[in-house]
Amino acid sequence: AQKVTQAQTEISVVEKEDVTLDCVYETRDTTYYLFWYKQPPSGELVFLIRRNSFDEQNEISGRYSWNFQKSTSSFNFTITASQVVDSAVYFCALSERAKTSYDKVIFGPGTSLSVIP
Amino acid sequence: DAGITQSPRHKVTETGTPVTLRCHQTENHRYMYWYRQDPGHGLRLIHYSYGVKDTDKGEVSDGYSVSRSKTEDFLLTLESATSSQTSVYFCAISGTGTDYNYGYTFGSGTRLTVV
Repeated sequence: AQKVTQAQTEISVVEKEDVTLDCVYETRDTTYYLFWYKQPPSGELVFLIRRNSFDEQNEISGRYSWNFQKSTSSFNFTITASQVVDSAVYFCALSERAKTSYDKVIFGPGTSLSVIP
Repeated sequence: DAGITQSPRHKVTETGTPVTLRCHQTENHRYMYWYRQDPGHGLRLIHYSYGVKDTDKGEVSDGYSVSRSKTEDFLLTLESATSSQTSVYFCAISGTGTDYNYGYTFGSGTRLTVV
């Protein structure tokens, strides 16, 4: 069965520190997609990244980087030089190739990140 | 241009009353979803739609019904609201194509309080 684990419930860092948010997933499929979403205090859910299971290349976008390792079923998210605006809840999510009639997505429980000035 | 809007943004209602939440999209996406978000439970799928008049249940569908009479609108109805349905409700859309599963785009959410 699909499962997404985000073992870190809450993290606090001081501004300018680097921080890594862990995500471990379980799936029996060979074709799947992984996502990260951000939910700032204002409450909206913002799409950050999508990665398919055939693309293990790490990605960097500004201060954000993602490390995808199929061998350990992990898709970790690192924020470099954190800023107060990074304070949010971050959700990792997994979607398997559709066996049903919709894009089924399983969300992890989320990690609440607080960046202290 | 939001692409997806939810209404209302906030609502307080009394136990036993019917409530309808609306999700409207301008992206012409096939798939639409209703989730609820609760502390300790994360995001849980209530219902989804894979086309006009095509809907199905998610993992927490009891007490909810949906309708989709047009591509752009997906309505969530609480037939008789209960306090356990106090939550934040998110609508999401996703498209499909040769590059399968672009991920969801979420609405801004509706905070519903049942008193």
